[in-house]
Formats: sequence, C-alpha cells, structure tokens
Amino acid sequence: NSKVIQTPRYLVKGQGQKAKMRCIPEKGHPVVFWYQQNKNNEFKFLINFQNQEVLQQIDMTEKRFSAECPSNSPCSLEIQSSEAGDSALYLCASSLGGLNQDTQYFGPGTRLLVL
Amino acid sequence: QQKVQQSPESLSVPEGGMASLNCTSSDRNFQYFWWYRQHSGEGPKALMSIFSDGDKKEGRFTAHLNKASLHVSLHIRDSQPSDSALYFCAVSELGGSALGRLHFGAGTQLIVIP
Repeated sequence: NSKVIQTPRYLVKGQGQKAKMRCIPEKGHPVVFWYQQNKNNEFKFLINFQNQEVLQQIDMTEKRFSAECPSNSPCSLEIQSSEAGDSALYLCASSLGGLNQDTQYFGPGTRLLVL
Repeated sequence: QQKVQQSPESLSVPEGGMASLNCTSSDRNFQYFWWYRQHSGEGPKALMSIFSDGDKKEGRFTAHLNKASLHVSLHIRDSQPSDSALYFCAVSELGGSALGRLHFGAGTQLIVIP
C-alpha cells in the first residue's frame, strides 16, 4: 500500500483566497509529482520535483501556483488566488526516480472546493 | 491531443466473471504503460506496468501489450465486488526527456455485480 501522505483531505476556500496543501512522499522516494484530477476524472500534470529542484511545470502552475519540496519538510502546493475552476482533487505521487519507467505511487489526495 | 484512449467507458460483469479493459496510445513516443485503479474517495493505486510485448500476470490481473499497435489490455479474472472502481491506463514517454510525467486515459468504470 502506498505511504504517500497528503493533508488536508478536504479544503474549502473562497474565490481569491490562498489554498495550501501538503504531501509527504514515500520514504526514499526523491521524485514528487502533483496532478490535478477534475470532476470528469481527467488528470492534469502540474509540476514535479527531484529532491528540492523543479524538473518540469506547466504554464498554469508557473503563474498561479507556488510549490516546493524543502529538505526534511513536507512538499507543498499552494494556489495563490483560488478560482472556481480550481475545484478538483489534487494528487501527490512519488517515485524512486525520474525515469519514465519508474512507477508513481499516489496519495489519497486533497479535495479542494472553491466557493 | 489525448495521448491515451480507453474503452469501454463503463463495464458491468457478474461476480466471478472476466472483465476486459482496453487502452491505446496514439503517439509512438509513448510506449510505457501502467494500469491504475481508483476507488471512490481514494487516490489511484498502481496495479501493474508493462513495457514489453506479450503478457504480464499478477494474481488475477493479466495485461497484454502489442507494441506494434500500441494497444494494451487488462483482464481481471474471477472479478470480485471489491474490484468495482475506476480503472485508468497511463503512459509515459520513451527516453528521459519527460522525466516521468504520466498521461492518463479517461478511465473505465467497472461494476462487478454480486
């Protein structure tokens, strides 16, 4: 069973508010991914890290999100100014490496509702 | 452009029956396949990966990959009510440039009827 921990499980924010969620990857996994799963169950890759360094991120993440994976602390993803369209399940995954053959293990997600 | 197509959208099978799910990659650069299962209220759980032509079996689950057609199937034998879930096919890119990013299909909703 995956041991990726995500907190909080549920988050309710008003439009324009900040929304912050955290992830503790599986022990020994240096690579962390964030995905957004919308109400239609479509996945969108947001950003990934190897140790503390950003590997890739999409434009939306670059402009409206801030994310980090500090050493010896949980990774975090924060939406700077929440919009209704940000309501979704935010999934954190970790893997042993950044190679394309490494399995990603997901946490339970943080469900964000923007009112 | 959607890189992964899954079929059917939904599938009902009787308990003890065989469930068969399909997935095709539309981009020859994306040839590493995974099957994930997601129960309601949970995150996706990796079932198995398959990268080579042929079959791969893990317990009641068997995946079959045809690299020429970029088609992979997942067969669940002796289906149980606890197998009722959303099943996602995911692919990643050959080579190292994509750094592990996964592309997911739209999912197949499996219902196992007791």
